[in-house]
Amino acid sequence: NAGVTQTPKFQVLKTGQSMTLQCAQDMNHEYMSWYRQDPGMGLRLIHYSVGAGITDQGEVPNGYNVSRSTTEDFPLRLLSAAPSQTSVYFCASSLQGGETQYFGPGTRLLVL
Amino acid sequence: TQLLEQSPQFLSIQEGENLTVYCNSSSVFSSLQWYRQEPGEGPVLLVTVVTGGEVKKLKRLTFQFGDARKDSSLHITAAQPGDTGLYLCAGAKNQGGKLIFGQGTELSVKP
Repeated sequence: NAGVTQTPKFQVLKTGQSMTLQCAQDMNHEYMSWYRQDPGMGLRLIHYSVGAGITDQGEVPNGYNVSRSTTEDFPLRLLSAAPSQTSVYFCASSLQGGETQYFGPGTRLLVL
Repeated sequence: TQLLEQSPQFLSIQEGENLTVYCNSSSVFSSLQWYRQEPGEGPVLLVTVVTGGEVKKLKRLTFQFGDARKDSSLHITAAQPGDTGLYLCAGAKNQGGKLIFGQGTELSVKP
């Protein structure tokens, strides 16, 4: 099992550009989530999904969109990147919400 | 507003010392998890506590869930340089609910 995979590992964007951060898991987990990690802020929940076709907002959803067309994939879209979105992004999955989260290796994003 | 407050945020100690990290909230959680994160990697689960007053031990690490299920602590005995990392607590307010993380405690253990 590959676990949770994320691509790309690093990305530099210019303000206003759009991009999609990819996340996939092969553990047949129903629950998937996206977090951003900034110094001194811990992990903040952006969006989450309790199953295919169902998504909901977390603590900091503005500027991000998600979709969950399959159990395996949970992409995160930045529609118009802003410098405030410079961060490290982690995707995680679990059997159900509130249970052990399995994290991907992260995507480091720099928005200039 | 941080639902889970961790303290201290930074801790630098010598090898062999003991330390305690606290995770506090005004809210009740159905379960609380502790994760450890190393630089450049995602967090990895250390333990989950679900019962008020529960104590779990993982080698030199002792985890406790408060009686009212609003707080938790992580105690490390005789810290070693390999314990260096970011320690994160995370709580779920209800079973199946989303997980909320604290700000993290950055621990540095010097040889």
